[in-house]
Amino acid sequence: KAGVTQTPRYLIKTRGQQVTLSCSPISGHRSVSWYQQTPGQGLQFLFEYFSETQRNKGNFPGRFSGRQFSNSRSEMNVSTLELGDSALYLCASSFREFDTEAFFGQGTRLTVV
Amino acid sequence: GESVGLHLPTLSVQEGDNSIINCAYSNSASDYFIWYKQESGKGPQFIIDIRSNMDKRQGQRVTVLLNKTVKHLSLQIAATQPGDSAVYFCAENLASSASKIIFGSGTRLSIRP
Repeated sequence: KAGVTQTPRYLIKTRGQQVTLSCSPISGHRSVSWYQQTPGQGLQFLFEYFSETQRNKGNFPGRFSGRQFSNSRSEMNVSTLELGDSALYLCASSFREFDTEAFFGQGTRLTVV
Repeated sequence: GESVGLHLPTLSVQEGDNSIINCAYSNSASDYFIWYKQESGKGPQFIIDIRSNMDKRQGQRVTVLLNKTVKHLSLQIAATQPGDSAVYFCAENLASSASKIIFGSGTRLSIRP
């Protein structure tokens, strides 16, 4: 069974631009969550989608948004990029909405210059 | 509040010995406590979880202990192997929003041959 796939793996953007990251969950998984990982702040929850609806949201500004499609694939978007948005963005999927066992992808490394 | 901390940022263990990774938490309302392992270049990987109404749970070569009196969580790895080298995160969540996982800052475990 294929794991969680995130694309692209690496991305370099300029401050002020916007970016869209993609996540394909494990087949059959309907919950997708996004996390930001930085050396300073560690792993921080961004949001979670289940059945195309945002169920939970972390403490991030409105520049961070996401969506989920009917096939459970998810995208997250960051607008007006700031240098501090440089991070590893991780996507995790789980079969049910309330699962402690989440399966993470390898992440997208975003660098804002 | 939402806070999960760790006692030590690094831990060095002789191959074959047992490893004990400690974690302190502050949110008494958490329903689950979870351990994740992150190897270099990979996303976090679920190891084991424990419900807040339990004090011990065992998996394959791993044991998690929960002491609610002092808000302390530990992960014991038996017969540590080179493949156990990674950063270990303790985490917590509420059953009502299980996909929102609050991660601690991580402990890097290194194995001496």
